[in-house]
Amino acid sequence: NAGVTQTPKFQVLKTGQSMTLQCAQDMNHEYMSWYRQDPGMGLRLIHYSVGAGITDQGEVPNGYNVSRSTTEDFPLRLLSAAPSQTSVYFCASRQGIFVGEKLFFGSGTQLSVL
Amino acid sequence: QKEVEQDPGPLSVPEGAIVSLNCTYSNSAFQYFMWYRQYSRKGPELLMYTYSSGNKEDGRFTAQVDKSSKYISLFIRDSQPSDSATYLCAMSDPGYALNFGKGTSLLVTP
Repeated sequence: NAGVTQTPKFQVLKTGQSMTLQCAQDMNHEYMSWYRQDPGMGLRLIHYSVGAGITDQGEVPNGYNVSRSTTEDFPLRLLSAAPSQTSVYFCASRQGIFVGEKLFFGSGTQLSVL
Repeated sequence: QKEVEQDPGPLSVPEGAIVSLNCTYSNSAFQYFMWYRQYSRKGPELLMYTYSSGNKEDGRFTAQVDKSSKYISLFIRDSQPSDSATYLCAMSDPGYALNFGKGTSLLVTP
């Protein structure tokens, strides 16, 4: 099993550009989520999904869209990139919706918005 | 005020020392408590999980939860250079989302 795979690993955008961060898991996990990690702020939840076709907002959803058309994939779309979205983005999944289960993280995408 | 507070450090200790990492929280509904370890340029990995109060031991690691004080701790015995990482506490009520602390950076020097 590859686990949680994120692409790309690094990305530089100009202000106003759009892009999609890809996340795929091969563990048949119900729950998938996106976090951003900033110095001094820790991990903050952007969006999450408890199954195909079901998504919801986390703590910092503004400027981001998600969809979940399959169990395996959970892409994160930046609609119009801003310098405040410079961060490291992590996708994470777990088997079920129970919060006490282990979260499996991808290796991250480092995004810079100029 | 964030619901979870964690001193970011950095914390530097010599090899073999006992390390104590701590978090405080404000939400009395939190029942699930975890510690994640994150190496540089990697995603976090689950290290310890505790439900409600009490202690849990796994090898050199002990997780402790004191719900009356809203305080959780992670102890590392006989620390090794390979323990050098950022340690993130995480906790939740019976919902979907974990609340993470900011992480404490630990350096164990040979």
